[in-house]
Amino acid sequence: GESVGLHLPTLSVQEGDNSIINCAYSNSASDYFIWYKQESGKGPQFIIDIRSNMDKRQGQRVTVLLNKTVKHLSLQIAATQPGDSAVYFCAENELGQFYFGTGTSLTVIP
Amino acid sequence: DSGVTQTPKHLITATGQRVTLRCSPRSGDLSVYWYQQSLDQGLQFLIQYYNGEERAKGNILERFSAQQFPDLHSELNLSSLELGDSALYFCASSATPYTENYGYTFGSGTRLTVV
Repeated sequence: GESVGLHLPTLSVQEGDNSIINCAYSNSASDYFIWYKQESGKGPQFIIDIRSNMDKRQGQRVTVLLNKTVKHLSLQIAATQPGDSAVYFCAENELGQFYFGTGTSLTVIP
Repeated sequence: DSGVTQTPKHLITATGQRVTLRCSPRSGDLSVYWYQQSLDQGLQFLIQYYNGEERAKGNILERFSAQQFPDLHSELNLSSLELGDSALYFCASSATPYTENYGYTFGSGTRLTVV
């Protein structure tokens, strides 16, 4: 399998602040990436994706940045809310298979 | 509700026993994936089925086996259970075997506790 890792296992942010979650991937051939959110007691849910021909993609309050030079992916959450508290995974796609990182636990402090 | 149904939600069993986890994929999805999630290892891919046939194998132990039935539901069989098998087991589905767009749709998981 591929090595998909996260720089920080836990992250605490104040409600209303912006959050940045980082992810490193090892396979330069991976051409598609997804961020998943996993709330307690639930399975991972799709948040946002990005293809390797893009550097940035924005969604609703979330932005994903891709730096292919250093094989780094980040998820930015604007105006973090208590409902954003969850574990966030990045996943890389190689030949149709996804490989997941271990996750970062985000805690939003009210 | 993601559309992927997993049963049971919780399972407690003793070492040496055998259990079966069940998954019904999202309507229209032909491919089913099984993942194991433990605290220190994240999501580990176990096995994939597509339309009844095994498609890919990951880090699945010989004590574990799976199958996908004609109605597309899948079962993961875990035997000779050990304490280390305690984990969350997720099923995911996708429309095609080599999916890309939007990834997989995950169920809520089965929490297995081996005592």
